[in-house]
Amino acid sequence: SQKIEQNSEALNIQEGKTATLTCNYTNYSPAYLQWYRQDPGRGPVFLLLIRENEKEKRKERLKVTFDTTLKQSLFHITASQPADSATYLCALVKGTGGFKTIFGAGTRLFVKA
Amino acid sequence: DADVTQTPRNRITKTGKRIMLECSQTKGHDRMYWYRQDPGLGLRLIYYSFDVKDINKGEISDGYSVSRQAQAKFSLSLESAIPNQTALYFCATSEAGKNSPLHFGNGTRLTVT
Repeated sequence: SQKIEQNSEALNIQEGKTATLTCNYTNYSPAYLQWYRQDPGRGPVFLLLIRENEKEKRKERLKVTFDTTLKQSLFHITASQPADSATYLCALVKGTGGFKTIFGAGTRLFVKA
Repeated sequence: DADVTQTPRNRITKTGKRIMLECSQTKGHDRMYWYRQDPGLGLRLIYYSFDVKDINKGEISDGYSVSRQAQAKFSLSLESAIPNQTALYFCATSEAGKNSPLHFGNGTRLTVT
């Protein structure tokens, strides 16, 4: 069956360091991959999208890589800040609609001042 | 983000009761979705609608029904609530097209006792 896995353990890092979150998937060939941020008591908020033919995408302090051979995406936050503390969700999308979107359970990130 | 509004934010109900969760949006998107989120699990799709006349079952539709009253309104009903339907429920919208991210409401926390 199709599966998407994110590290279930929380990631604790010091302010200023780079946070790296991992998303692995199996039995799936996504057209593209999305990353969302979710704060407690709130809905997920879209951050970045990367297509299957792109290796890397950047947006301000965020960087996403997508390796379709390894079936893995890495999400990096450089110069992390306490305000970056949240849960980050990876989502795989195939086709033309949300009905083919599969979400990972998310990784909780804590950035300590 | 008040563009996608869910009501109520919290609800406690008893086993066997019928309950409706409502979602309205001001984003002008045609596509609307209902997801369920449980601890340790990714968001799972319950139902989705690509326009007012189009309703489709998602991954976990058993025990749920939906109604698309207008382009901007999409409600989710639990016909006879059971305790394992206790979860966080999210409504989302998107534009048509494979590059379109999902825009989520802030969720309804439902507890079935």
